[in-house]
Amino acid sequence: QQPVQSPQAVILREGEDAVINCSSSKALYSVHWYRQKHGEAPVFLMILLKGGEQKGHEKISASFNEKKQQSSLYLTASQLSYSGTYFCGTEDAPNTGNQFYFGTGTSLTVIP
Amino acid sequence: DTEVTQTPKHLVMGMTNKKSLKCEQHMGHRAMYWYKQKAKKPPELMFVYSYEKLSINESVPSRFSPECPNSSLLNLHLHALQPEDSALYLCASSQERGTNYEQYFGPGTRLTVT
Repeated sequence: QQPVQSPQAVILREGEDAVINCSSSKALYSVHWYRQKHGEAPVFLMILLKGGEQKGHEKISASFNEKKQQSSLYLTASQLSYSGTYFCGTEDAPNTGNQFYFGTGTSLTVIP
Repeated sequence: DTEVTQTPKHLVMGMTNKKSLKCEQHMGHRAMYWYKQKAKKPPELMFVYSYEKLSINESVPSRFSPECPNSSLLNLHLHALQPEDSALYLCASSQERGTNYEQYFGPGTRLTVT
């Protein structure tokens, strides 16, 4: 079940903040976040696990609301290098053979 | 070394051709993945290998045939493809299969089927 992201696209000026949301219709065990620049491979940003454990970059933060089956990625003081398409990725249970689904994607453009 | 390499970068093939895509990682990862990505869409999981055994095959057409010769190598054999199979094919690896582990992606092979 592919998670749905919002917004679909956002344009920011340098220094502004943004929030990207990821919602699933199924219970989640974990949420991954990746960024993909045009013509490049996705790059790992963060993993959030049930129970609050996080693994990722210091300058990016995220939240995981297990009850609401949602995650949000917070980008603060945006830089030009933040531009790209952001994908969440979810699996509703660990190591059960369930599919890993990427979300619908959010295109983020940072302008000077 | 946190690199996943893929060859070739670009591939153009006819519908009757047979070709292979190659992926390699030297991070000691035990899980490797093939994804298909169409323009402006998210990657879609095709195959997962865990400890060199195929663990997920998401009903991908048989014209795509994966192979994992060893823990560092992953191949995708292509035969009798259709024009709608044109896409970016991404390989990824992770330390283990499972949601605790981030995936490292290769740069992809851009495939065009004519």
